[in-house]
Amino acid sequence: GAGVSQSPSNKVTEKGKDVELRCDPISGHTALYWYRQSLGQGLEFLIYFQGNSAPDKSGLPSDRFSAERTGGSVSTLTIQRTQQEDSAVYLCASSLQSGGVYTDTQYFGPGTRLTVL
Amino acid sequence: KQEVTQIPAALSVPEGENLVLNCSFTDSAIYNLQWFRQDPGKGLTSLLLIQSSQREQTSGRLNASLDKSSGRSTLYIAASQPGDSATYLCAVLTGANSKLTFGKGITLSVRP
Repeated sequence: GAGVSQSPSNKVTEKGKDVELRCDPISGHTALYWYRQSLGQGLEFLIYFQGNSAPDKSGLPSDRFSAERTGGSVSTLTIQRTQQEDSAVYLCASSLQSGGVYTDTQYFGPGTRLTVL
Repeated sequence: KQEVTQIPAALSVPEGENLVLNCSFTDSAIYNLQWFRQDPGKGLTSLLLIQSSQREQTSGRLNASLDKSSGRSTLYIAASQPGDSATYLCAVLTGANSKLTFGKGITLSVRP
């Protein structure tokens, strides 16, 4: 079946502009996650959705970052007034999370490479 | 705060060699541990997931073990092939927010 998809695959923007990154999880997966992968920093957790609600936003680096999920499916990560340090690969993942038991594999999308000039 | 360490950062081996990739984590209160593979410019592919109650998982030439009390996991790759060249990431799931904490990965190169 279809995996996690993300768009765009690449985004180049100018400092100060807003960007929106999109994630389409695997159909039926109730949990959705955003991560960021920066050179030298490894992968860091940003935010987690269970259904449409985000119980943990502690990983968002600043108030310029926000995310929403609608209909328990598609999610968008918005970065306002982008800065050069926001340049990274933004990865989305989803998992089934059946019965609230945290034992399910997280399946990752190919990522969006964001470059802020 | 959970920290995951993978050493060395890079490894080069000749084709056919059996090898072990190590992962250590500081907080043993984990739900599970996953090993991922990442090819250049690509997303992550899950290789193996070990639940906290399990000791090991096997898939083909891959075997992952978990010693939760000592905070260690190993990924064993048998009869390595050039196609195994990639970055291998270890991640542990902790807390009620399903947060995965990743190591920085081991970049493996298998020489023909």
